[in-house]
Amino acid sequence: DTAVSQTPKYLVTQMGNDKSIKCEQNLGHDTMYWYKQDSKKFLKIMFSYNNKELIINETVPNRFSPKSPDKAHLNLHINSLELGDSAVYFCASSQGFRGGKADTQYFGPGTRLTVL
Amino acid sequence: GQNIDQPTEMTATEGAIVQINCTYQTSGFNGLFWYQQHAGEAPTFLSYNVLDGLEEKGRFSSFLSRSKGYSYLLLKELQMKDSASYLCAVTGGFKTIFGAGTRLFVKA
Repeated sequence: DTAVSQTPKYLVTQMGNDKSIKCEQNLGHDTMYWYKQDSKKFLKIMFSYNNKELIINETVPNRFSPKSPDKAHLNLHINSLELGDSAVYFCASSQGFRGGKADTQYFGPGTRLTVL
Repeated sequence: GQNIDQPTEMTATEGAIVQINCTYQTSGFNGLFWYQQHAGEAPTFLSYNVLDGLEEKGRFSSFLSRSKGYSYLLLKELQMKDSASYLCAVTGGFKTIFGAGTRLFVKA
C-alpha cells in the first residue's frame, strides 16, 4: 500500500495556466507538508498543515494556495503558472511533534512540473 | 539566520567508509534528520538524532553535537546502490530546514 501518494507524477503546461496537484496519505498522520525542489536540488518548505490547520506558510507567491479538506489530504493549486515554477513538488506527512521531539517525514513520489 | 552546510559532492570506493559532515545554525532545535535521495526519487528517512552522541543502524551511523551545531553521517561497507544524495535536515518549532544535500558517488 502506498503511504503518501501524489497525482499527477508529471505535469507539463503552458505559462499562465492554472493547475492542481493532489496528495493523500494513509498513515494516519496529523501533519502534512508541501516542498519545492528546484534544479539545484534545494528542498524548500512551502506550507504545512496540522489537523487541517495551516501552521507554516513560507514566503510563497499567493498564486500558490494549499487546501486541506481533511487531515489525510493536502492539495496544492497554482494560478497563472510562470516559468520559474518549474520544479519537483513533494508532499510529505508526519505524526507531528511529541514530547518536544520531531517526527520523521514520509515523502510522496513527487510531481515534476514543467512550465513552457 | 538559519543555515545548513554540507559538502556538495563526495566520491568513495565500494567497500570503504565515508563520513558526510553537516553544520547548522537554526532557531530552535527538535532534532536532526538524515535522508537519502536517489536521482528522480523521493527522500527517504535514514536516521534521527535529538540527543548528543552516536546512533547506529546497520551500515549507517549518525552523530550529533548540539553545542557545536554539528552532525555527521557515517556509511560503512559502501555499496554501489549507496550512490545518492544525502540530505541533512534540522527541525525547529514546526519547521524543517533541509541542506542542499551531498551527492555521493560510489565507484568500483
